[in-house]
Amino acid sequence: QQQVKQSPQSLIVQKGGISIINCAYENTAFDYFPWYQQFPGKGPALLIAIRPDVSEKKEGRFTISFNKSAKQFSLHIMDSQPGDSATYFCAASMADKVIFGPGTSLSVIP
Amino acid sequence: NAGVTQTPKFQVLKTGQSMTLQCAQDMNHNSMYWYRQDPGMGLRLIYYSASEGTTDKGEVPNGYNVSRLNKREFSLRLESAAPSQTSVYFCASSESGGDQPQHFGDGTRLSIL
Repeated sequence: QQQVKQSPQSLIVQKGGISIINCAYENTAFDYFPWYQQFPGKGPALLIAIRPDVSEKKEGRFTISFNKSAKQFSLHIMDSQPGDSATYFCAASMADKVIFGPGTSLSVIP
Repeated sequence: NAGVTQTPKFQVLKTGQSMTLQCAQDMNHNSMYWYRQDPGMGLRLIYYSASEGTTDKGEVPNGYNVSRLNKREFSLRLESAAPSQTSVYFCASSESGGDQPQHFGDGTRLSIL
């Protein structure tokens, strides 16, 4: 019930394309859903986050879509760039508990 | 503004040795966390400290101990290292609780032979 599932495990997208990463959770008590971006040799950094009272949040080229009834949320990266190549983690949290998905390795090719 | 600082960055240990990983944050955050990251498994919570003076077990606490020395510092100790503890360890902090953004250090890469 605490697990966060994430797919795909890896993703290759051409420059200018749309990258889509999907996550699903079970525990309806989660109330904060962040996405983190991690470059090799660095720690994860918060990219964008959403709370379950909204269905979509957009920041620049990055959009989270949230489906509360399906207990699913996804990250869309529009106009993907080679600099977006990184590992992306979704997470679900409540109070002091944060559960991370296993990660998606994104490669954006020219 | 350094954010979250972890030391050391790399370490090689022999089985049975002990060591302490250090973490300090300069953002006046109340909550601090220790994670381990293994390929294909994401980040798994080892221990966390919701506030100064408190610590709680996370998902994978066995073989580890922690100390919240003060509001800034949160250390992770391996008493008797085992090869299964070979991993990348990340410390993180947040203003208060898991429903706030977490700020991560750059990790400690630990190999146990």
